[in-house]
Amino acid sequence: SQTIHQWPATLVQPVGSPLSLECTVEGTSNPNLYWYRQAAGRGLQLLFYSVGIGQISSEVPQNLSASRPQDRQFILSSKKLLLSDSGFYLCAWSRGSGANVLTFGAGSRLTVL
Amino acid sequence: KNEVEQSPQNLTAQEGEFITINCSYSVGISALHWLQQHPGGGIVSLFMLSSGKKKHGRLIATINIQEKHSSLHITASHPRDSAVYICAVAPLTSGTYKYIFGTGTRLKVLA
Repeated sequence: SQTIHQWPATLVQPVGSPLSLECTVEGTSNPNLYWYRQAAGRGLQLLFYSVGIGQISSEVPQNLSASRPQDRQFILSSKKLLLSDSGFYLCAWSRGSGANVLTFGAGSRLTVL
Repeated sequence: KNEVEQSPQNLTAQEGEFITINCSYSVGISALHWLQQHPGGGIVSLFMLSSGKKKHGRLIATINIQEKHSSLHITASHPRDSAVYICAVAPLTSGTYKYIFGTGTRLKVLA
């Protein structure tokens, strides 16, 4: 069966510090991978998606970047965090093309002070 | 106006009640997701549907493509059903890459 792991679960970082959130998927190959952010009172916002190694599409201009160094690994990064980067970040995966079920990681709650 | 609207935003029910959560959307879609977000933040997929009706245990999801509307029903509600329920649509123009999410319905079921 497929599983998705996301870490760390919680982190508190000072403004200007770097960020790295990691997500890995097991039990499938060539998944579509996604990073979402959930702000209080708002719907999930798609930040990045990837359909293959090294293929990253960015949805919104921001202080964050994403990388996919391996087929089942997706990393969300920032060189210098801003206060506005605080939020709940979720990694997700789905199969190939077409409308397929989204499966989410447990999420990472980031507080920037 | 958001492309995906959910109602109600908040709902409190007594244990055993029949619950309905609604989702309306304004774009053509290939599929619609109902998701459940637990208090800790984790999100679980309940249903993905593109037509008709699906049932799983006490949960029933229906969709009317022509009316651009879906409902999630919970029969014999229980306190463990307390969660945020989120509707998400996969637009025809962009597929699953760009699901559009509603802001969720916060459900609290009292014992």
